[in-house]
Amino acid sequence: GAGVSQTPSNKVTEKGKYVELRCDPISGHTALYWYRQSLGQGPEFLIYFQGTGAADDSGLPNDRFFAVRPEGSVSTLKIQRTERGDSAVYLCASSIQRNTEAFFGQGTRLTVV
Amino acid sequence: KNEVEQSPQNLTAQEGEFITINCSYSVGISALHWLQQHPGGGIVSLFMLSSGKKKHGRLIATINIQEKHSSLHITASHPRDSAVYICAASGGGADGLTFGKGTHLIIQP
Repeated sequence: GAGVSQTPSNKVTEKGKYVELRCDPISGHTALYWYRQSLGQGPEFLIYFQGTGAADDSGLPNDRFFAVRPEGSVSTLKIQRTERGDSAVYLCASSIQRNTEAFFGQGTRLTVV
Repeated sequence: KNEVEQSPQNLTAQEGEFITINCSYSVGISALHWLQQHPGGGIVSLFMLSSGKKKHGRLIATINIQEKHSSLHITASHPRDSAVYICAASGGGADGLTFGKGTHLIIQP
């Protein structure tokens, strides 16, 4: 596709459930980032992939959060045992390489009830 | 850790006014990004700059590396400019972008 695609656009889940959020970056972009944006706040860094490897996962809040990018393209952010505090917009961005212009997806709005 | 501060947090202006949004950061960076976010929409990159000034249409972005400060200006503002404007820093030892909290701009007709 022409831009970064994220699915689903909205996800409502019950507390304690497992969710997967998908990001399809721009073709050829080796760098992929996940961010989380809470209401009224700027996005916060979660994890950075360079190719298939997670080069920096220091922003993941705890071990319930995990992300993969097995073939260096599509990435999946996985959240286990969801909590109400996980409710936020999860943004994915990709760039040709690290620290170049970033292109953002529309985000996935996650609501944990 | 880089701290990115924006001001003002909220700004309401009349159509046609000249708008300035300020951004400061605490440590050296490789580039400063200005981004636009509409309600319910994704984030669009407006500028990425590491020195001097860039202009695109009615938007102008400047950066002063020595003072660790950047500004975004909008000339002849229009209601369609209403959005959240976010500055973000790349580099400075961090992977990914470090974001400010955003400036919520409303342009009234």
